[in-house]
Amino acid sequence: SELTQDPAVSVALGQTVRITCQGDNLRSYYASWYQQKPGQAPVLVIFGENNRPSGIPDRFSGSSSGNTASLTITGAQAEDEADYYCNSRDTSVSRNVFGTGTKLTVL
Amino acid sequence: QLQLQESGPGLVKPSETLSLTCTVSGGSISSSDYNWGWIRQPPGKGLEWIGSIYYTGSTFYNPSLNSRVTMSVDTSKNQFSLKLYSVTAADTAVYYCARHPLLLVAATGWGYDAFDIWGQGTLVTVSS
Repeated sequence: SELTQDPAVSVALGQTVRITCQGDNLRSYYASWYQQKPGQAPVLVIFGENNRPSGIPDRFSGSSSGNTASLTITGAQAEDEADYYCNSRDTSVSRNVFGTGTKLTVL
Repeated sequence: QLQLQESGPGLVKPSETLSLTCTVSGGSISSSDYNWGWIRQPPGKGLEWIGSIYYTGSTFYNPSLNSRVTMSVDTSKNQFSLKLYSVTAADTAVYYCARHPLLLVAATGWGYDAFDIWGQGTLVTVSS
């Protein structure tokens, strides 16, 4: 089962943006979300129902509805410009799959 | 704090075997709470999970790579390794290792996991 994301999203500085991830897996597994800046390794920003690792700003939040997981950035900052990937287990349990990725531009 | 570091050849010839090792420092690879995973990213493309291994040696692999992948763990050295056989140019990528907590179940009954700590990545080019 695949996870589909919009290729590109833009947001004005200080505004709110939602990045979505769709897939059948997401009806029973929460997505995790990763931020990746150019030349750097991905960084986990959201996992589980809506959990942030230590050091991740609280403007990042996660939610799920039906077959769609969402990452919301409330009050986007210039440093949030990056690629974002979702990830989840698939329905066979023993496999992980990454989303196709979304490039976020902060205007 | 826990750190992961990938190592291995940066250039591999087509049809040969890609071999990488991930060294874990600042913590034990033998923790019962974690798998240890490999993820790759071809230049300019997205992330692809390759597989994960538990400290006992139990593995689970991406079905699309299953026939060409072997992962192993050396608890005495706090390392785990990846072998990818019969490589082609399509295997050129940055390879990351990452800590992969065991699948948990939330109060809602839904499962979840994540890759919570990553190595810096190493570029492997497949070329003659």
